[in-house]
Amino acid sequence: DAGITQSPRHKVTETGTPVTLRCHQTENHRYMYWYRQDPGHGLRLIHYSYGVKDTDKGEVSDGYSVSRSKTEDFLLTLESATSSQTSVYFCACLAGAVGTGELFFGEGSRLTVL
Amino acid sequence: EDQVTQSPEALRLQEGESSSLNCSYTVSGLRGLFWYRQDPGKGPEFLFTLYSAGEEKEKERLKATLTKKESFLHITAPKPEDSATYLCAIPKGDSWGKLQFGAGTQVVVTP
Repeated sequence: DAGITQSPRHKVTETGTPVTLRCHQTENHRYMYWYRQDPGHGLRLIHYSYGVKDTDKGEVSDGYSVSRSKTEDFLLTLESATSSQTSVYFCACLAGAVGTGELFFGEGSRLTVL
Repeated sequence: EDQVTQSPEALRLQEGESSSLNCSYTVSGLRGLFWYRQDPGKGPEFLFTLYSAGEEKEKERLKATLTKKESFLHITAPKPEDSATYLCAIPKGDSWGKLQFGAGTQVVVTP
């Protein structure tokens, strides 16, 4: 696998609190992504990174920020969590050859915002 | 707007009962179509990439095909271990990792 570790795996928090999810990879992949998965919506892209300190928005980026200070770590931050951000969050790396669309996903982080 | 629609939402099969899942897409200039498998509580796992109409890919009991409007994932003589949610996706934008996913088909194979 692509050696992707997400932390925490489960978190319960209250509305208005900040939350940071961490994605750590050991394979030196350049491209990293944060997706969220919700029933009825499937997987949707939040933010992605194409290198250290190079990030861009996905289709559902409002309320989220990201940072990538090292190749191996990609952080997703909810500045002030809301109940609509209750979801399962997946980190992924583009691990295949260019053009294959081969993403390797982490195990997911389940976030509940009360 | 690019769209990916999967059907059926759920499929219950007896072991050995072959079937097909559908993924229809709307996009101008398809660059590729991807199939993933997702087990409960896990992240999606990459299965196939298809690039052009007429292309087919196989892996064990799974075969993916592509036409100009849709893709099919055929499951031949399924086993209980084929139970999973199957997702299809297309690339969106300039990065191959920026994918638009369908909602998935949940497959349950009973012994």
